[in-house]
Amino acid sequence: EAAVTQSPRSKVAVTGGKVTLSCHQTNNHDYMYWYRQDTGHGLRLIHYSYVADSTEKGDIPDGYKASRPSQENFSLILELASLSQTAVYFCASSWTGPLYEQYFGPGTRLTVL
Amino acid sequence: GDSVTQTEGLVTLTEGLPVMLNCTYQSTYSPFLFWYVQHLNEAPKLLLKSFTDNKRPEHQGFHATLHKSSSSFHLQKSSAQLSDSALYYCARGNNKLTFGQGTVLSVIP
Repeated sequence: EAAVTQSPRSKVAVTGGKVTLSCHQTNNHDYMYWYRQDTGHGLRLIHYSYVADSTEKGDIPDGYKASRPSQENFSLILELASLSQTAVYFCASSWTGPLYEQYFGPGTRLTVL
Repeated sequence: GDSVTQTEGLVTLTEGLPVMLNCTYQSTYSPFLFWYVQHLNEAPKLLLKSFTDNKRPEHQGFHATLHKSSSSFHLQKSSAQLSDSALYYCARGNNKLTFGQGTVLSVIP
């Protein structure tokens, strides 16, 4: 079973503050992803990466940065957190190829006040 | 552009009745389609995925058929169980996935 872990599991941040969400996978997967989940919008892709030291923009990258310092680790950075970024964030990983499933982490509940 | 549409936000069914959750897609090429399921307070996980050789994928009693003529990949099950209550996502793509808005399935006794 693929293992993807996220930290922290929940966080309260203040508007304008910096937030870093971390993701770690132990399966040697090439691809890693960051999604946000909001009621009515489903899962939306923020950033993804297919190799260490390189990241790609997803569908909603504005207000977010990503970092992939190694194959196992992928971070999501909110430089200036805003109220609209309150959501549940999921990290996922997968092998390269269209029929490989994505394995999701347990999620991080972020509340920006 | 490429997109996935799930028209029902909530489907409520009595246990034992058949399940059908709708999924349609727009794509500029022949897509790969997926269904993911998310139980309460859990992470999403793959339920089933389409294949290009027209074989019908099945898992845990659920099945879906890719109909390219109608751009659909509806999820079906012959008899709903209480444990099927969850949030279901249809998705399309090739590594980079686009998810639909999700459908909450609530199965009641």
